[in-house]
Amino acid sequence: SQQGEEDPQALSIQEGENATMNCSYKTSINNLQWYRQNSGRGLVHLILIRSNEREKHSGRLRVTLDTSKKSSSLLITASRAADTASYFCAQGAQKLVFGQGTRLTINP
Amino acid sequence: EPEVTQTPSHQVTQMGQEVILRCVPISNHLYFYWYRQILGQKVEFLVSFYNNEISEKSEIFDDQFSVERPDGSNFTLKIRSTKLEDSAMYFCASSVGQGNAGNTIYFGEGSWLTVV
Repeated sequence: SQQGEEDPQALSIQEGENATMNCSYKTSINNLQWYRQNSGRGLVHLILIRSNEREKHSGRLRVTLDTSKKSSSLLITASRAADTASYFCAQGAQKLVFGQGTRLTINP
Repeated sequence: EPEVTQTPSHQVTQMGQEVILRCVPISNHLYFYWYRQILGQKVEFLVSFYNNEISEKSEIFDDQFSVERPDGSNFTLKIRSTKLEDSAMYFCASSVGQGNAGNTIYFGEGSWLTVV
């Protein structure tokens, strides 16, 4: 199975702090995608990182990928209350495999 | 920014009834997908569709499920005889190319299906 797992399962921090979420996967990948899901809402695509990339930035988001460790991390800097959501990594071709996600809570 | 749109946003149906969930993928996309998320559980792949045929499906996607692209814009998921365990959020998604080729898969807002 290519199933990835996010860690931690839940994270609660103060607004303005940085949040780091990790993702591990089991098989080799061509790329890995990170998504955000607000409660009861759709999946919003954040970043796609390819297997030959080590780091990618998008605004306050930074994703790293370590293929030797089969792991990726998502860093959100200067967190805001609106960042409160669940965050998922997913890998696969047509069949994306999601983990349980990290539930991030930003406290004002 | 182009987006995947889904209707209805929420549907309540009686067990045994047929349900059709509709999706309009992003216009230049060629790959279409359905996923579902049972409340509190992981997002699960159901089916992918390319070139007017199913390219991959999961074990969840049994004979009760079918997909169709009836015209150039819509992509539908039909559940023939709904069961209580079909209650979930159903997500439609689309991409230009395959995900393993570095193509982002974009998801819609989902359709909540409640079977009573």
